[in-house]
Amino acid sequence: NAGVMQNPRHLVRRRGQEARLRCSPMKGHSHVYWYRQLPEEGLKFMVYLQKENIIDESGMPKERFSAEFPKEGPSILRIQQVVRGDSAAYFCASSSGQRGAPLHFGNGTRLTVT
Amino acid sequence: DAKTTQPPSMDCAEGRAANLPCNHSTISGNEYVYWYRQIHSQGPQYIIHGLKNNETNEMASLIITEDRKSSTLILPHATLRDTAVYYCIVRGYTGTASKLTFGTGTRL
Repeated sequence: NAGVMQNPRHLVRRRGQEARLRCSPMKGHSHVYWYRQLPEEGLKFMVYLQKENIIDESGMPKERFSAEFPKEGPSILRIQQVVRGDSAAYFCASSSGQRGAPLHFGNGTRLTVT
Repeated sequence: DAKTTQPPSMDCAEGRAANLPCNHSTISGNEYVYWYRQIHSQGPQYIIHGLKNNETNEMASLIITEDRKSSTLILPHATLRDTAVYYCIVRGYTGTASKLTFGTGTRL
């Protein structure tokens, strides 16, 4: 079974551009979670989605950030008009959603804003 | 979800067992204990989880006390490749799978 796939691994954007981060969950998983890790800081939850629905977006910044998980295709985390403070590692995780089932993480996308 | 307390750092000699403690004294009956590790800047790696009983897999063993207020992750033969930050997380299930909340972990 392939694990959680994230792409690109590295992304460089200039201030004001848009960043799109993609996440393909493990086969059979319909629950996706996005986390952000700023340099030298801990992992912070951003958003939890289940096919076509946002379940919990309590960690998502109110502006410029959005996430989707369409019926077909990968989950997308979109950051509009990026600023230097958005530079971080963004990790995606997936789960089957069954009781007690763990989350499995991808290796992340490292976003650098210049 | 219940809060967890872990020592900020621990040392272990190569080849010896690493025993990483975690306190979760406010855990409730439907909450699981999960252990993850993050090696350098890679994605968090799932290690093991449990509810009440001790668990073992190819990576590690999880010992949960009878009152469930604390647990220990055991890496039986630690190597340099086990150098990482280890996170103990407690998470409940309320009919839908919820997020994991990462603390500061133990740097081994």
